[in-house]
Amino acid sequence: GAGVSQSPRYKVAKRGQDVALRCDPISGHVSLFWYQQALGQGPEFLTYFQNEAQLDKSGLPSDRFFAERPEGSVSTLKIQRTQQEDSAVYLCASSPGTSSFYTDTQYFGPGTRLTVL
Amino acid sequence: KQEVTQIPAALSVPEGENLVLNCSFTDSAIYNLQWFRQDPGKGLTSLLLIQSSQREQTSGRLNASLDKSSGRSTLYIAASQPGDSATYLCAVRHSGGSNYKLTFGKGTLLTVNP
Repeated sequence: GAGVSQSPRYKVAKRGQDVALRCDPISGHVSLFWYQQALGQGPEFLTYFQNEAQLDKSGLPSDRFFAERPEGSVSTLKIQRTQQEDSAVYLCASSPGTSSFYTDTQYFGPGTRLTVL
Repeated sequence: KQEVTQIPAALSVPEGENLVLNCSFTDSAIYNLQWFRQDPGKGLTSLLLIQSSQREQTSGRLNASLDKSSGRSTLYIAASQPGDSATYLCAVRHSGGSNYKLTFGKGTLLTVNP
């Protein structure tokens, strides 16, 4: 079946522009995660959705970052007034169950590489 | 705060060699530990997931071990092939609050030379 897909795969933005990154999780997956991976680093947690509810946004770097999943399926990560330090790969992951299913693995998409000039 | 460290940061080996990648974590209160592979421009592919009650998992030429009390895991790759070249990441899932989060190491960049 189809895996997690993300679009666009690459995005170049001028400093100060707003960007929107899309994630299509595996159909039926309850949990959805966003991670940020800077160059040479491991992914770092940004936010977590269980269906349409955003249960944790503690990893979002600033109030310029906003994520939503209005119908419990597709999710969008929006970054307002982009800065150079926002340049990174943004990874989306989904898993079948809720957070209590600790045996679940997270399935990752290919990521969106954001470059802010 | 959980910290995950991977050693070495990079490794280059000739084809056919057996190799070990190391991962250590500071907080032993975990549900599981997972090894991922990341190819350039692609997402993460899960290789092995070891539950906290398990000592090891095997898949083909890969074997991962977990010593939760000492905060260590190793990924053993037997008879390495050029196609194994990638970045290998380990990640732990906490058993306390926010137990859905994965905390990753920085990865080991593996190059297998023909």
